[in-house]
Amino acid sequence: AQKVTQAQTEISVVEKEDVTLDCVYETRDTTYYLFWYKQPPSGELVFLIRRNSFDEQNEISGRYSWNFQKSTSSFNFTITASQVVDSAVYFCALSEATNYGQNFVFGPGTRLSVLP
Amino acid sequence: ETGVTQTPRHLVMGMTNKKSLKCEQHLGHNAMYWYKQSAKKPLELMFVYSLEERVENNSVPSRFSPECPNSSHLFLHLHTLQPEDSALYLCASSQDDPGQGISTNSPLHFGNGTRLTVT
Repeated sequence: AQKVTQAQTEISVVEKEDVTLDCVYETRDTTYYLFWYKQPPSGELVFLIRRNSFDEQNEISGRYSWNFQKSTSSFNFTITASQVVDSAVYFCALSEATNYGQNFVFGPGTRLSVLP
Repeated sequence: ETGVTQTPRHLVMGMTNKKSLKCEQHLGHNAMYWYKQSAKKPLELMFVYSLEERVENNSVPSRFSPECPNSSHLFLHLHTLQPEDSALYLCASSQDDPGQGISTNSPLHFGNGTRLTVT
């Protein structure tokens, strides 16, 4: 069965520090997709990135970067020079194939607090 | 208006009330979802509609009743709820390829959620 683990329940950092959020997944599918979502206090989950299982290139988008390592089944997310606006709950998710399309398996989330 | 819109944002209801949550997506997607988010629990998938047909009911109690009249609208009808049903209910949509048996890369697009309190 598919499973996503985010071992860090809560993280607190001071503004401008770098922080890495860990994500480890389990799947028997050979083709799958990984996602990161951000949930600010307003409640809406905001899509940040998707990565397919055949593309292990790391990606950088501004202060955000993602490190996908298939060998360790990890898809970690790093925020560089964190800001107070980065405070949110971050979810890692795995997309699995079903007969109706796709099913998302979410991790439990990591609550990030960035202090001024 | 773009994205996924949910109404109401907040709802307080008694255990004997009947209410409905509404979700509307303006993205042209063909699949819609209801998720429940309780404190200290992972997101729980409740219902999935693909091409307006319910294809997944994740063992949800019958006091929750979904309705999908068209690909843009999704409702969740609530009746005789319990206090433990208090949670954030999130609607999402995506563009899927049903029946293909392959994982797609279409992300879920979420609404702001309805914060439900059952008293």
